[in-house]
Amino acid sequence: ILNVEQSPQSLHVQEGDSTNFTCSFPSSNFYALHWYRWETAKSPEALFVMTLNGDEKKKGRISATLNTKEGYSYLYIKGSQPEDSATYLCAFRVGGSQGNLIFGKGTKLSVKP
Amino acid sequence: EPEVTQTPSHQVTQMGQEVILRCVPISNHLYFYWYRQILGQKVEFLVSFYNNEISEKSEIFDDQFSVERPDGSNFTLKIRSTKLEDSAMYFCASSSRRQYSNQPQHFGDGTRLSIL
Repeated sequence: ILNVEQSPQSLHVQEGDSTNFTCSFPSSNFYALHWYRWETAKSPEALFVMTLNGDEKKKGRISATLNTKEGYSYLYIKGSQPEDSATYLCAFRVGGSQGNLIFGKGTKLSVKP
Repeated sequence: EPEVTQTPSHQVTQMGQEVILRCVPISNHLYFYWYRQILGQKVEFLVSFYNNEISEKSEIFDDQFSVERPDGSNFTLKIRSTKLEDSAMYFCASSSRRQYSNQPQHFGDGTRLSIL
């Protein structure tokens, strides 16, 4: 059974703090790793699709790294803002380029002003 | 920016009744998916759909479930005889028409299904 784990489950930080969280996934038969940002009552918003070992992607203050050999990805947020408060989901894609996603449970980030 | 739309946002149904959840994927997308999240659990894959047929389905997607793309724009999930354990948030997603591309799946806001 393929399993994706995220840690920590929740995180409370002060505005301006930098933070990071982890996604662990199976290291065999890797196709891609997706990161999503999910605010309550909204749709999950795609952040990154990562495919190559050693990949590093950046979007504003958010960046992510990928290690497919050991099966983990880190998401970093630099200088957290209250609007960064959301649940961050990672998902391991199975099968080919349009295969289905296996999600982790997410890391819920709360940023206090 | 184009988006995936789902209706209704909330559906309350008696156990044993049929329910149809509707989705309008992004217009030039060709790959379609349904996922669900039971409260407090992970988002789970149900089914993927391409070229008017099911590509993959999970163990959850049993004979009570079906999907259809009746008119080239809507993508529906039908549950024939709902059970209490079908209560969940159901998400529709679609992805790019470019095959072999590593595009994200774009999600709708979800339909919250409550079975009484």
